[in-house]
Amino acid sequence: DVQLVESGGDLVQPGRSLRLSCAASGFTFDDYAMHWVRQAPGKGLEWVSVISWNGGSIGYADSVKGRFTISRDNAKNSLYLQMSSLRAEDTAFYYCAKASGTMITAAFDIWGQGTMVTVSS
Amino acid sequence: QSVLTQPPSASGTPGQRVTISCSGSSSNIGSNYVYWYQQLPGTAPKLLIYRNNQRPSGVPDRFSGSKSGTSASLAISGLRSEDEANYYCSAWDDSLSGWVFGGGTKLTVL
Repeated sequence: DVQLVESGGDLVQPGRSLRLSCAASGFTFDDYAMHWVRQAPGKGLEWVSVISWNGGSIGYADSVKGRFTISRDNAKNSLYLQMSSLRAEDTAFYYCAKASGTMITAAFDIWGQGTMVTVSS
Repeated sequence: QSVLTQPPSASGTPGQRVTISCSGSSSNIGSNYVYWYQQLPGTAPKLLIYRNNQRPSGVPDRFSGSKSGTSASLAISGLRSEDEANYYCSAWDDSLSGWVFGGGTKLTVL
């Protein structure tokens, strides 16, 4: 079975950094692009970032551009999100999602259970 | 304010047919596929419809999707209590070079 397990969520002060990880299993990781999508408490879904199968193409939402960095390690079947200069409005559940194809224009078809990031002093 | 526009709520009684709309523009729905996701309370989203009207294996044929111009719709027939959830539409946006979502529609089964 396809499984995505996020980790790294925590309570962090504004302006600090945090790194999220997503461990993938049950599929050939380097055959697919990967996404991060977030959901603030009681709010809707917001796409955050996407990385192509080999990391050659990357996209970010305007709300995180310049502060967040997505990366992947295909040898470790892992996806990462380095978050810096965190703000209160970054508080959300962060989901890792597998894309349906190799490129950043491929939609999310399988989602992890998410990890909570709380930005507060 | 979401790029794609959905009604915040919808409702129906068991057995009824309900539709949820999703309105966009030429840079997203007008030129790309639409996807629908179901999020049951306290759980992660699940893909319900892909490429406008295709159902992943395991999704009942009570769920169907359609697209016309810059709008799309999700229809649920034979409504059941377990369909009570939040539903989101999504599409790639060529102008933003990124993915966009609708604000979500909370479906209540009366």
